[in-house]
Amino acid sequence: NAGVTQTPKFRILKIGQSMTLQCAQDMNHNYMYWYRQDPGMGLKLIYYSVGAGITDKGEVPNGYNVSRSTTEDFPLRLELAAPSQTSVYFCASSYEDRSYNEQFFGPGTRLTVL
Amino acid sequence: KQEVTQIPAALSVPEGENLVLNCSFTDSAIYNLQWFRQDPGKGLTSLLLIQSSQREQTSGRLNASLDKSSGRSTLYIAASQPGDSATYLCAVLWDSGGSNYKLTFGKGTLLTVNP
Repeated sequence: NAGVTQTPKFRILKIGQSMTLQCAQDMNHNYMYWYRQDPGMGLKLIYYSVGAGITDKGEVPNGYNVSRSTTEDFPLRLELAAPSQTSVYFCASSYEDRSYNEQFFGPGTRLTVL
Repeated sequence: KQEVTQIPAALSVPEGENLVLNCSFTDSAIYNLQWFRQDPGKGLTSLLLIQSSQREQTSGRLNASLDKSSGRSTLYIAASQPGDSATYLCAVLWDSGGSNYKLTFGKGTLLTVNP
């Protein structure tokens, strides 16, 4: 199993540009998550999904959109990129949502908005 | 609101020393607690997960304990090695309302083990 994969690894955007961060998992997990990590800070939840066709906002959803058309894929869309969105973005997945919810993380996408 | 605090923020120890990393959380109504390792420029690797009904978990030289009533967890690393150098993150899974289960992270402890 490849686990959780993310593309691209690095990206530089200009203010106002848009892009999609890709995330895929091959563990047949129902739950998927997008986090952002700013320097010296813990991870903050952007959006999550409990299954195909179902998504919900996390702690910091403004400026982002997600979709979940399949169990495997959970892309994160940035519209009108802003410098405040410079961060490292992590995608994660888990089988159950509580109790034994062990989240598995991808390697991250390092995004810079100039 | 759940808040997770990790102390110390940074720790430097000589190789071979036993050490303890601390994590505290404000809302004791958690489902589980996870300890992660993060190497520079890399993603997170899950080290140990303790369910709310458990008191501790062990994996090799790592032992994590959980005292839910006091809102505390510790990660004990025995006989530390330079390869243990990384940032260690603590995270708790809790119900933020309406059956929305959220994982809240601490800011991490940066561990350096000197040869």
